[in-house]
Amino acid sequence: DADVTQTPRNRITKTGKRIMLECSQTKGHDRMYWYRQDPGLGLRLIYYSFDVKDINKGEISDGYSVSRQAQAKFSLSLESAIPNQTALYFCATSDFQENQPQHFGDGTRLSIL
Amino acid sequence: GDSVTQMEGPVTLSEEACLTINCTYTATGYPSLFWYVQYPGEGLQLLLKATKADDKGSNKGFEATYRKETTSFHLEKGSVQVSDSAVYFCALSANAGGTSYGKLTFGQGTILTVHP
Repeated sequence: DADVTQTPRNRITKTGKRIMLECSQTKGHDRMYWYRQDPGLGLRLIYYSFDVKDINKGEISDGYSVSRQAQAKFSLSLESAIPNQTALYFCATSDFQENQPQHFGDGTRLSIL
Repeated sequence: GDSVTQMEGPVTLSEEACLTINCTYTATGYPSLFWYVQYPGEGLQLLLKATKADDKGSNKGFEATYRKETTSFHLEKGSVQVSDSAVYFCALSANAGGTSYGKLTFGQGTILTVHP
């Protein structure tokens, strides 16, 4: 979905490095989400934000932090990367109304050596 | 907590074969149900949704019916094409009052490969 842009698309880095993944959206949605995808595990929620002043932990937030810089921007940081954080990361947005679908970016493939 | 279980994959079919991917869920209250599709190298896209019992979602020849009595939302297509090869995810979102309100809970995904 071109309305949700993730950067970078691919990143290879070393254990212990700090990494930031960025997400920006032009859909005007209040809600934003970060997921990681691992083979056979589906997508798991890391953090979510229902508006600029609202940040909530998801089911696997340990080792991650986020910042909601504006309605349109939501970044995910790995303070000290470790190899088991190697995964495909997705940002998503949704409208505030009930039953609205989420719209996903194309993902960031992160490899930690 | 809420959970979604999809049938084990991968699924391999010949073109024009019938497809069913099973999905069952556990949730409090009455969640909304979704099927997402992920094509290679891309993010997830909404395929169809249903927001209440007995609703049928449909799109691109795919259908799924929200069955409250069996807590299921199976994805079906009568005749698959090579272009349907992708990963399919079943997901739920709790409505207001549910424990996962505003968030999606995903199944583990089912890889579908369609051969000519």
